[in-house]
Formats: sequence, structure tokens, C-alpha cells
Amino acid sequence: GENVEQHPSTLSVQEGDSAVIKCTYSDSASNYFPWYKQELGKRPQLIIDIRSNVGEKKDQRIAVTLNKTAKHFSLHITETQPEDSAVYFCAASIRDSNYQLIWGAGTKLIIKP
Amino acid sequence: DGGITQSPKYLFRKEGQNVTLSCEQNLNHDAMYWYRQDPGQGLRLIYSQIVNDFQKGDIAEGYSVSREKKESFPLTVTSAQKNPTAFYLCASSMYLGIEAFFGQGTRLTVV
Repeated sequence: GENVEQHPSTLSVQEGDSAVIKCTYSDSASNYFPWYKQELGKRPQLIIDIRSNVGEKKDQRIAVTLNKTAKHFSLHITETQPEDSAVYFCAASIRDSNYQLIWGAGTKLIIKP
Repeated sequence: DGGITQSPKYLFRKEGQNVTLSCEQNLNHDAMYWYRQDPGQGLRLIYSQIVNDFQKGDIAEGYSVSREKKESFPLTVTSAQKNPTAFYLCASSMYLGIEAFFGQGTRLTVV
């Protein structure tokens, strides 16, 4: 079946440095790619998303890039801060499931002071 | 105050008992979902529902759902579920393939 792979599973960066998380997907018809942030014990919340007709989207320190040819998309966080520490999940819509979301396994981002 | 609400936050049950987790939304969303989250793992779909269509996820065995009202999507964990202890998240979206909003989750522990 279709799947989404997310790497790395854990990422530790120095405060102020940049963090990049990458996801690859298998369904070439996927058209929606959200990123969610989940703090410990809390609900996942959408931080940024992108549609397949766009290559890049930015929102302050957060950006997402999409490479449809290679079927991968990435989350970029610049000038990381302690409050960025969380688990980040990517997802992709799957055509064969009426465009329901298939989720990556998550990346635990640790910001070192 | 619009949103999606799950209850209870923590739930303890004895092995062999059925248990129902509540999920309510007042966002007028057509699609609702139940996910299971285990430590160090992503979100695994149990069931989704939109209009009259229920879709089973890969881990639906031992779970059942109903959607008698648009606002409500309860999940029943039956004794047939071999390893029910987990964090359960309910979500909703206006339709499939767009942003999903999550409830705060229910942590179920079966002893």
C-alpha cells in the first residue's frame, strides 16, 4: 500500500541553528502535504501545509518545500528556539483512499540550549 | 467556542471489558477520524467516516464506531482488541484531504 517515510526519527540541534525534516511519499497523485507539531501529552496541531501546485511555502521561521518529481517534501525551521522542541509529523493525501491522509512516523526535535 | 472535544482524558478498564471513547465536534465538519498513537510511533488510522461512508484503517480489528449524529463519533474498544492500551486521538475535517483538527486525546489503560 501507499506509505509516507519520515526522517530522521530524532533530531537534536543547537538553539539558533536550523532544523530540516524530510518525508517521502509513494502516491504520485498525492496533492496535499501538511505538517503537524505535537508537544508532549498534547494534540497535534497544524503548523504549515502545501498543495501540489506549489513548490514552497513560508510562514515566519517555518517553510515547507515540495519536490513532486522526487516525491518528497521537507520542513525547514530556522533560528530554532526551545519552544520548537516537540514531535513533528508529516502526512500526504492518498488518492486510493479518497485523499485521506497517511502519516509519517514522526520526528522528535530536541533544541539544545 | 468551536472545537473538537474528547472525553475522558484518562480511562482505565479491566481486561475483557468493552469501553467507549467519546468525541464531539461543533465545527460542522463532514469527516471524522479515530487514530491510535503508540509511543514512538505515528498516527495509525482506526476508522474514518464521511457522509454515509465508513472506512476501516489497517488496525480496525477490535474497534467499532458509529455516527448517528454529525457532531458525534464514538469509538468502542472491544475485548477483541488484543493490545488496547494506547493514546487515542479523534479528529475532524470539513472534507477529506484538507486540514484535520484534533481533540486532546484519551489515554486508555487496560489492566
